[in-house]
Amino acid sequence: DAKTTQPNSMESNEEEPVHLPCNHSTISGTDYIHWYRQLPSQGPEYVIHGLTSNVNNRMASLAIAEDRKSSTLILHRATLRDAAVYYCILRDVQAGNMLTFGGGTRLMVKP
Amino acid sequence: GAVVSQHPSRVICKSGTSVKIECRSLDFQATTMFWYRQFPKQSLMLMATSNEGSKATYEQGVEKDKFLINHASLTLSTLTVTSAHPEDSSFYICSARDPTSAQETQYFGPGTRLLVL
Repeated sequence: DAKTTQPNSMESNEEEPVHLPCNHSTISGTDYIHWYRQLPSQGPEYVIHGLTSNVNNRMASLAIAEDRKSSTLILHRATLRDAAVYYCILRDVQAGNMLTFGGGTRLMVKP
Repeated sequence: GAVVSQHPSRVICKSGTSVKIECRSLDFQATTMFWYRQFPKQSLMLMATSNEGSKATYEQGVEKDKFLINHASLTLSTLTVTSAHPEDSSFYICSARDPTSAQETQYFGPGTRLLVL
């Protein structure tokens, strides 16, 4: 399985943008980049996904490098409720389309 | 996004008893559901993949006779922890794949916290 590398933790100030990086240098052509987040004591929540082009939705933006070896999840204005563990996951649609969780990045938001 | 529910949200049981956890997809039909387990300060680990109408596929190291999975309908999967022991205490999370969404997005339930005394 293609793996991802994320920083263990990051800090942000409330109401400021947050850029969460993810490296996936061994990504294959059929891997989609998915982001989930897990708030304390809850199940993971889908955030966004993409293949090659940048993506925007109501929760976040996903910026994908041209060579697809890295991506960045962007929270435009962090709130205290965004404090969570953010997981960057590769899903191969041709290999079972499974979600395999790594360690993720624990985002702490300071008021 | 789509909604997946789990019941119960938490359960405390005595060692040696069995516990059943239900997972429902509320607004879509899920041919495939997944069961994960998460120990404190660790990431989610996939236990098994449940396909409606067929036997579940278990990950390496997960005992299929201990963790019984039934996926009898397109909206319901159950996980039964048989003869539970304290080491089975964990956060169990189910997930359902929505076949109608882009890239078959997987949605997660809120989790069930199991404590075995």
